[in-house]
Amino acid sequence: QVTLRESGPALVKPTQTLTLTCTFSGFSLSTSGMCVSWIRQPPGKALEWLALIDWDDDKYYSTSLKTRLTISKDTSKNQVVLTMTNMDPVDTATYYCARILYSSGWVFDYWGQGTLVTVSS
Amino acid sequence: EIVMTQSPATLSVSPGERATLSCRASQSVSSNLAWYQQKPGQAPRLLIYGASTRATGIPARFSGSGSGTEFTLTISSLQSEDFAVYYCQQYNNWPPLTFGQGTKLEIK
Repeated sequence: QVTLRESGPALVKPTQTLTLTCTFSGFSLSTSGMCVSWIRQPPGKALEWLALIDWDDDKYYSTSLKTRLTISKDTSKNQVVLTMTNMDPVDTATYYCARILYSSGWVFDYWGQGTLVTVSS
Repeated sequence: EIVMTQSPATLSVSPGERATLSCRASQSVSSNLAWYQQKPGQAPRLLIYGASTRATGIPARFSGSGSGTEFTLTISSLQSEDFAVYYCQQYNNWPPLTFGQGTKLEIK
């Protein structure tokens, strides 16, 4: 059974750095073809892809946010961490982590429940 | 960056009727197109990938079609649980992976 769960602060101040952790089970990120990604959704708005890390530790980032994002993995802990620097109120959103099984294409087949992050002073 | 445009923004359909949702890509994405369903307060759920392949456990009333730049999600006979927001996503040319802005399917 595949599960993912996001954790991190619910509230951050402008200019601070956000650190989110995705803890997953039911698969291993050391298995060929496995990837974990972060996606966010501002309240009432559409989904926005942020970053992806694959089984080979290759990392991919949103073009518009790449200077602010870092994704990493700890395979032994079954965790993926996303950091986003210089947070702004427009970054207020629900942040999701999701799995990609490459054999099905770069699609998100399992999602966490999401964590709402509010950026406010 | 490939821009995905969904239409209409809101679709009002009666239960039992057919719903047709559209997604257009700014350039060809071949068949590398997925559809997701999102209900209020929930994470999205994968419905379709490869433009027309249903994901595991997805009912047969959901079908996808299209290739290149024009895609369609059809729900053949709407059930009450189908009223939600639907997103398309391309994965042909990335990064970035890109989503459409969504179509809200509401009860008429």
